Amino acid sequence: QVQLVQSGAEVKKPGASVKVSCKASGYTFTGYNLHWVRQAPGQGLEWMGRMNPDSGGTYYGQKFQGRVTMTRDTSINTAYMELSRLTSDDTAVYYCARARSPDSSAHYYWGQGTLVTVSS
Amino acid sequence: DIQMTQSPSSLSASVGDRVTITCRASQTINTYLNWYQQKPGRAPKLLIYVASSLQSGVPSRFSGSGSRTDFTLTISSLQPEDFATYYCQQTYSYPITFGQGTRLDIK
Repeated sequence: QVQLVQSGAEVKKPGASVKVSCKASGYTFTGYNLHWVRQAPGQGLEWMGRMNPDSGGTYYGQKFQGRVTMTRDTSINTAYMELSRLTSDDTAVYYCARARSPDSSAHYYWGQGTLVTVSS
Repeated sequence: DIQMTQSPSSLSASVGDRVTITCRASQTINTYLNWYQQKPGRAPKLLIYVASSLQSGVPSRFSGSGSRTDFTLTISSLQPEDFATYYCQQTYSYPITFGQGTRLDIK
């Protein structure tokens, strides 16, 4: 069965960077786009960007341009999302999500979420 | 960016009620509209994709309709497990955007 397992919670200081991993299993990793979505405490869902694990191609939301980098390691079926220059506004649960089908962007499979806390 | 506006922002209803949530896009998105359900502490769950297609395993009391800019999610007869927050999402163009959410509470 399809699973996305994310890395554990992180506590970072303002100005630091965080790198969250998302290990995929149960399907062909390079066959489906992966998206990253975050949710600040008590707030709604915010799409950050997507990566094509086959080509490595990315599309980032403008809000995150210059601060986010999405990469992957196809040898271990793992995607990464790195966010730099953290502020308290980046405190959130970060999710990876797999597209429903190769030609769809609907997010069907989700990781369990990774809480990133930014605090001095 | 395409703005997605949901209404209402919150809603109180009783078990057995019929509930409708609306989502409006700031420009046409054809039918590239998805609906998600989220419960506290859990990842969102895909309910409806391309406006009206029911995701496998989702109860048939959930239905979606609409096209271009106006969409609805209907729950025909609320069950206790349906009390949650619902989000619409457009995937017509990047950046993908979500509505602000509709919180559905027990009356």
